[in-house]
Amino acid sequence: AQKVTQAQTEISVVEKEDVTLDCVYETRDTTYYLFWYKQPPSGELVFLIRRNSFDEQNEISGRYSWNFQKSTSSFNFTITASQVVDSAVYFCALSEDRSNTGNQFYFGTGTSLTVIP
Amino acid sequence: GAVVSQHPSRVICKSGTSVKIECRSLDFQATTMFWYRQFPKQSLMLMATSNEGSKATYEQGVEKDKFLINHASLTLSTLTVTSAHPEDSSFYICSAIAGTGEETQYFGPGTRLLVL
Repeated sequence: AQKVTQAQTEISVVEKEDVTLDCVYETRDTTYYLFWYKQPPSGELVFLIRRNSFDEQNEISGRYSWNFQKSTSSFNFTITASQVVDSAVYFCALSEDRSNTGNQFYFGTGTSLTVIP
Repeated sequence: GAVVSQHPSRVICKSGTSVKIECRSLDFQATTMFWYRQFPKQSLMLMATSNEGSKATYEQGVEKDKFLINHASLTLSTLTVTSAHPEDSSFYICSAIAGTGEETQYFGPGTRLLVL
């Protein structure tokens, strides 16, 4: 079973529209971390956020916001007023704490976002 | 912002040879570095986490003897793909964290390895 599911493979929006990228995760752990990364066409990854499982507060950073809902095991990412520079593949990831054997890290398959000018 | 470099950016080698990839933090000390692998048009995979001066922690399914990681200093980590085979061809990416408790990862530009 997929530990991190990004059901949206590709999304296209027109510039200035808002867009939400979905991420659903699966874990039995009580302590874990969730991440979002951006990979623009250049290929170089950009870290966006890390959230631990005990912090369910929503996060806002400029045009970016994240909605962490433990009840639905989701960690969705919203871009408001999208811009062409937001065009990229976005990856959601889960890290489970395996103190004895090292963390286990799972990436989603990514959502390719295209913002049309 | 913090800068992480990788060298080489691209390497082609013959099957059976070993290839070393360097990851450097240029303007900060990296207590922790990560190595990732990305197959063409596929998702990412974390291979291992390395802390300066200690052995790397490998993710399940990653061969320790195949992918040797050395984090000898606070600014340099190396990944050596030993006895490379065509299936090792991939995009290898490193990232670094500036200190204990820090969350932000700074990524290198990646190294594209092609094994013939």
